[in-house]
Amino acid sequence: DAGVIQSPRHEVTEMGQEVTLRCKPISGHDYLFWYRQTMMRGLELLIYFNNNVPIDDSGMPEDRFSAKMPNASFSTLKIQPSEPRDSAVYFCASSLRDRGRIAKNIQYFGAGTRLSVL
Amino acid sequence: QKEVEQDPGPLSVPEGAIVSLNCTYSNSAFQYFMWYRQYSRKGPELLMYTYSSGNKEDGRFTAQVDKSSKYISLFIRDSQPSDSATYLCAMSRPSGNTGKLIFGQGTTLQVKP
Repeated sequence: DAGVIQSPRHEVTEMGQEVTLRCKPISGHDYLFWYRQTMMRGLELLIYFNNNVPIDDSGMPEDRFSAKMPNASFSTLKIQPSEPRDSAVYFCASSLRDRGRIAKNIQYFGAGTRLSVL
Repeated sequence: QKEVEQDPGPLSVPEGAIVSLNCTYSNSAFQYFMWYRQYSRKGPELLMYTYSSGNKEDGRFTAQVDKSSKYISLFIRDSQPSDSATYLCAMSRPSGNTGKLIFGQGTTLQVKP
């Protein structure tokens, strides 16, 4: 299994530009999560999907951020327009809801996209 | 107040030392407790997983959960330089509602040869 795949690994852009981050979850997983990680705030959940449907977007900082999951194997996180304070590492993670007696919420993370907005 | 509190460190120890990493939490509904390890410029990876209270051991690693105190710990015995990483605790309520995890800030550990 290739794991969660994110692209690009690094993105450098200028303030005001549109940024699109991409994620391919592990095949068969039904949850997908977008996180942002900074030194100051740690790992923050931005939004998550279940079966391609957004469930909770309360962590999305503002309207400049949007996320889509058009199918089970692809998701995007878009920032438009980007600002220097958006500079962070963005992670995508996926999980499979275990319907056993003791259900598990183990999330598997991608390698992240390091975003720098100048 | 954050739901999960974790001292960010950094924590520096000599090789071979026993390391203790800790998190406290406020939500008594949490039932699933995890420790993720994150190497520099990598994504977090699951290290240990426990359900409810008790201990779990895996090689040099031991995870403890004390629900009465709302306190979880990760112990690393005979620490190695390769253990140098950031350790994040994570927890969730019983599944049936969401797959959402609440993460601590992460503790940066450096093991010196």
